[in-house]
Amino acid sequence: GAVVSQHPSRVICKSGTSVKIECRSLDFQATTMFWYRQFPKQSLMLMATSNEGSKATYEQGVEKDKFLINHASLTLSTLTVTSAHPEDSSFYICSARKGSYGYTFGSGTRLTVV
Amino acid sequence: TQLLEQSPQFLSIQEGENLTVYCNSSSVFSSLQWYRQEPGEGPVLLVTVVTGGEVKKLKRLTFQFGDARKDSSLHITAAQPGDTGLYLCAVTGGTSYGKLTFGQGTILTVHP
Repeated sequence: GAVVSQHPSRVICKSGTSVKIECRSLDFQATTMFWYRQFPKQSLMLMATSNEGSKATYEQGVEKDKFLINHASLTLSTLTVTSAHPEDSSFYICSARKGSYGYTFGSGTRLTVV
Repeated sequence: TQLLEQSPQFLSIQEGENLTVYCNSSSVFSSLQWYRQEPGEGPVLLVTVVTGGEVKKLKRLTFQFGDARKDSSLHITAAQPGDTGLYLCAVTGGTSYGKLTFGQGTILTVHP
């Protein structure tokens, strides 16, 4: 199979602090992972493409200094929301692609900034 | 402008009814995918359509890819409360990154 694990599933943080979200491919190596953001009752919006061993590629309008992405190994990508504010509260989802299995998604992280 | 125009955005029906969700674009795609997402979870792949005019069936769900490969539809027969969820069509971008772009989604609610 192709399993992607995302952690934590829920996190509440204070305004101004940073939060790290992990995305792991459990049974395959992923040179590329993708990070999405989703607001209630809306579709997924691609934030950035995470590339193993190199800089992430951010979509237009996404602040790279606010959403730090690190893809240090073939099975782990992390998204750090820096200096979080209430407007950053959202559902963050990662995905990876394994050959013919197509895209597999993590179960998402619900971030609430208070 | 959206790459994929999905409609309707919301659909609320009674158990046993039929429904169709549409995904349209002015672009031609080599393939198109349909996903279903439940609250608090990531999307799960339902089907990939590749050939123009292709029809695929998954139990009570029927997926069709337009002849010109610009549009697709999802038809559900005799909807059940368990079909409730967010349905998303998606295509792969034409870059080496292979990023997936989603339509706006259709929130389906099936009432018992």
